[in-house]
Amino acid sequence: EAGVTQSPTHLIKTRGQQATLRCSPISGHTSVYWYQQALGLGLQFLLWYDEGEERNRGNFPPRFSGRQFPNYSSELNVNALELEDSALYLCASSFGPSRPNTEAFFGQGTRLTVV
Amino acid sequence: KQEVTQIPAALSVPEGENLVLNCSFTDSAIYNLQWFRQDPGKGLTSLLLIQSSQREQTSGRLNASLDKSSGRSTLYIAASQPGDSATYLCAVRSDQAGTALIFGKGTTLSVSS
Repeated sequence: EAGVTQSPTHLIKTRGQQATLRCSPISGHTSVYWYQQALGLGLQFLLWYDEGEERNRGNFPPRFSGRQFPNYSSELNVNALELEDSALYLCASSFGPSRPNTEAFFGQGTRLTVV
Repeated sequence: KQEVTQIPAALSVPEGENLVLNCSFTDSAIYNLQWFRQDPGKGLTSLLLIQSSQREQTSGRLNASLDKSSGRSTLYIAASQPGDSATYLCAVRSDQAGTALIFGKGTTLSVSS
């Protein structure tokens, strides 16, 4: 069975541009979580989607947004890119909030570099 | 606000040693705790999941314990090997952040041969 898949693996953008990152969850999982891992800062929670809706977001500006599609895959969009947005972006999936005791699984990440 | 702390931040040991990584969290109202491994520039690999009602979980040379009331977990690695070199992350799941995992900053382990 396929795990969580993310694309692209690497992405290079210029300051001010927009970036779109994609995530496909494990089959049967309805929740998708996005995290940012900047150098030296640890994993910071960005966004949580479940059943097509945004359920919660971390302490990030509105230019970080996304959506979840009917097949539960998800997109993370980062607008007006800043140099500080350079980081590894990780996606995780799990069963929905009615099953909070279940395990979360992560993809391999997208390395975003803003120049 | 739930906060997760991992000690030590870095650890270097010779091959064959048994070692303990520590994780503490401030709010004991958790659903579960997961230990992950991360190789440089890569994603996270789930190692062990401990439910809030459990005291420990074992997988091969790894043993994780949980003391929810004191807000502590330990990851015990037996007979360490160079291939164990990685960053180990502890994360708790609770209603804060809407059941998203809240992470510590990790312990970077280096095992020399």
